[in-house]
Amino acid sequence: GESVGLHLPTLSVQEGDNSIINCAYSNSASDYFIWYKQESGKGPQFIIDIRSNMDKRQGQRVTVLLNKTVKHLSLQIAATQPGDSAVYFCAENIRGYSGGGADGLTFGKGTHLIIQP
Amino acid sequence: AAGVIQSPRHLIKEKRETATLKCYPIPRHDTVYWYQQGPGQDPQFLISFYEKMQSDKGSIPDRFSAQQFSDYHSELNMSSLELGDSALYFCASSQTGQGTNEKLFFGSGTQLSVL
Repeated sequence: GESVGLHLPTLSVQEGDNSIINCAYSNSASDYFIWYKQESGKGPQFIIDIRSNMDKRQGQRVTVLLNKTVKHLSLQIAATQPGDSAVYFCAENIRGYSGGGADGLTFGKGTHLIIQP
Repeated sequence: AAGVIQSPRHLIKEKRETATLKCYPIPRHDTVYWYQQGPGQDPQFLISFYEKMQSDKGSIPDRFSAQQFSDYHSELNMSSLELGDSALYFCASSQTGQGTNEKLFFGSGTQLSVL
């Protein structure tokens, strides 16, 4: 079936290094993607988003790359800090053109980012 | 800035009981979504409402129902609770316009434990 998935359940990096979290999606109709960060016991927190007409978008210390050819999405975190420890989810949505409507996001399997001192 | 408010934060129920979860969206957000997240799982979409009308439906059991009220807050009603309903339930809200509704802001969730 169509789903959004992540390649690795756990990613361990050294503090200060760059982190790259990957996501594969299979719904070619998806035109909007979001990365969320979820800390233990908290709700998902928006990090960065990207539309399908872009292949790269940068935020503060984070960059999202979109490769529509291979249906691949990645989140790069520069100079990883202890506060970056969390589970990271990618999510996709197909924009509704009906002048309204609220299609639910489809989440992929999370990647637990562990920061080593 | 105001965020999505969910209540209660924790809820303990026994099998076959009912539960009601409440969600207050960010001011001026007209759309709410409900998600269920089991331990170690990704959030699963249950149902969404736009302008007080059901908009999209995911994997919500027939034992569950939800609605959005005139003040845009939403309630998720869960009946005949089962052990498998134990999970973290998130509400999210967004501001929908011209068919765009992508950026969801999540509350802190309600932890439901069914004993």
